[in-house]
Amino acid sequence: DSGVTQTPKHLITATGQRVTLRCSPRSGDLSVYWYQQSLDQGLQFLIQYYNGEERAKGNILERFSAQQFPDLHSELNLSSLELGDSALYFCASSAQGRTNTGELFFGEGSRLTVL
Amino acid sequence: DAKTTQPNSMESNEEEPVHLPCNHSTISGTDYIHWYRQLPSQGPEYVIHGLTSNVNNRMASLAIAEDRKSSTLILHRATLRDAAVYYCILRDGRNTGNQFYFGTGTSLTVIP
Repeated sequence: DSGVTQTPKHLITATGQRVTLRCSPRSGDLSVYWYQQSLDQGLQFLIQYYNGEERAKGNILERFSAQQFPDLHSELNLSSLELGDSALYFCASSAQGRTNTGELFFGEGSRLTVL
Repeated sequence: DAKTTQPNSMESNEEEPVHLPCNHSTISGTDYIHWYRQLPSQGPEYVIHGLTSNVNNRMASLAIAEDRKSSTLILHRATLRDAAVYYCILRDGRNTGNQFYFGTGTSLTVIP
C-alpha cells in the first residue's frame, strides 16, 4: 500500500461526457502528479501540483484540467470525452524539499473507459 | 529532463541475476538516476536511485558508470514476481518541478 488513494477505480462513460478523478496523496506529501497510460503505452506526464499551485505541465489536453485543494487532495477533470481518452490515470505524490529523494508513490489508478 | 534509452524487452531465468541497462548520454551533473517498475495492472513503484556512486537496497543494486552516461539495474536473483516493466528516469536535482518523464521502459520476462 503506497498510501496514495485514487477514486473511482473503474469508470465507464460515454463520449462527450465529463468525469472527475480524485486523488488523496500520502499524509504530508505536498506534491501531486497526474499521469495517463493508454493501452500498451508508457506513462504520459500530465501535470504536477505543489501545495495547491501548478508546478509543471506536460502533455495535458485543453479538455483536461486539474487542481489541488487546501487539504492537498487533487482532482483531474476530463471533459468532452473521446474514445481515445480511455486509459489508466495514475496519481502520484511525493514529499518536496531540498533533502528529499523525490521518490514518487503511485496510487492504483483509475481505469476510464469511454464508449 | 534528459532522455534515457532502454531495451524494449529482456528475458531472464528464475533465480538468476538480471542486468537491466540504461543509456543516458546527455545526463547533466545534477541529474539523479531513478528506477521504477510497474507490475501488471498496478501503479509504478520505486526501486532505487543514485547520483554518482553505486547503490544497494533490499530490492536491487544500481551500478553507475564512471562517466555517468549509463547505468545498470541489477536484480540479484530474479523471481517470477520481478516480471514487470522497468523504467529508468533522470531527475534534475535542482528542479523542483519534478516532472518524472517515463519512457517506454524494459519489459522483463522471468522464465520459470
